[in-house]
Amino acid sequence: QVQLQESGPGLVKPSETLSLTCTVSGGSISRYYWSWIRQPAGKGLEWIGRIYTTGSTNYSPSLKSRVTMSVDTSKNQFSLNLSSVTAADTAVYYCARAVFSNNWFGYEYYFDSWGQGTLVTVSS
Amino acid sequence: QSVLTQPPSASGTPGQRVTISCSGSSSNIGTNPVNWYQHIPGTAPKLLMYNNDQRPSGVPDRFSGSRSGTSASLAIRGLQSEDEADYYCAAWDDSLPDYVFGTGTKVTVL
Repeated sequence: QVQLQESGPGLVKPSETLSLTCTVSGGSISRYYWSWIRQPAGKGLEWIGRIYTTGSTNYSPSLKSRVTMSVDTSKNQFSLNLSSVTAADTAVYYCARAVFSNNWFGYEYYFDSWGQGTLVTVSS
Repeated sequence: QSVLTQPPSASGTPGQRVTISCSGSSSNIGTNPVNWYQHIPGTAPKLLMYNNDQRPSGVPDRFSGSRSGTSASLAIRGLQSEDEADYYCAAWDDSLPDYVFGTGTKVTVL
């Protein structure tokens, strides 16, 4: 049973960079997409982006200019950097594993394992 | 901003059937399979349904999903108190590209 655990600062100052790491245990990081999702208080889930084990990335268009993701397969970890943060970036951040496949019925993509989430507050 | 629209709330008494709708467009639900997640605040979201109507191991068969055109729905049969949670539909959107979540539906067991 794969497990994911987010880690990183819980408080980030405005205009600085939010950095989080997700450690994967109980399974290989290979052959999956790995994503970050966030949820501001009182709001819904928002996909931030994904990284494959080769380092290939896709980012949400709304956050693309500020997001960078990386992966370290030797440590079974992947990371998120979100630059120039504001109070609007305050949220619970989740990391998740994505199963994917291109089939006759469309692009199959879903999250079958999630981390517990970590609250990041942007405040001075 | 979510591109998949769900009703903000749904409710029922124990044992009742509750249905949640999810409305999208040709670039997401109209093209790609729909997934559903159950989220109890303070915990990790849980995959409830994938590929429109497939239940992961461990999800009770009281839950069922369907898709038609650019809409999808999740049905909970025999509602139980532990079903009280937020439910989100989601799908890959080819136009952006992006993975889009629904606006979320809070299910209350009366």
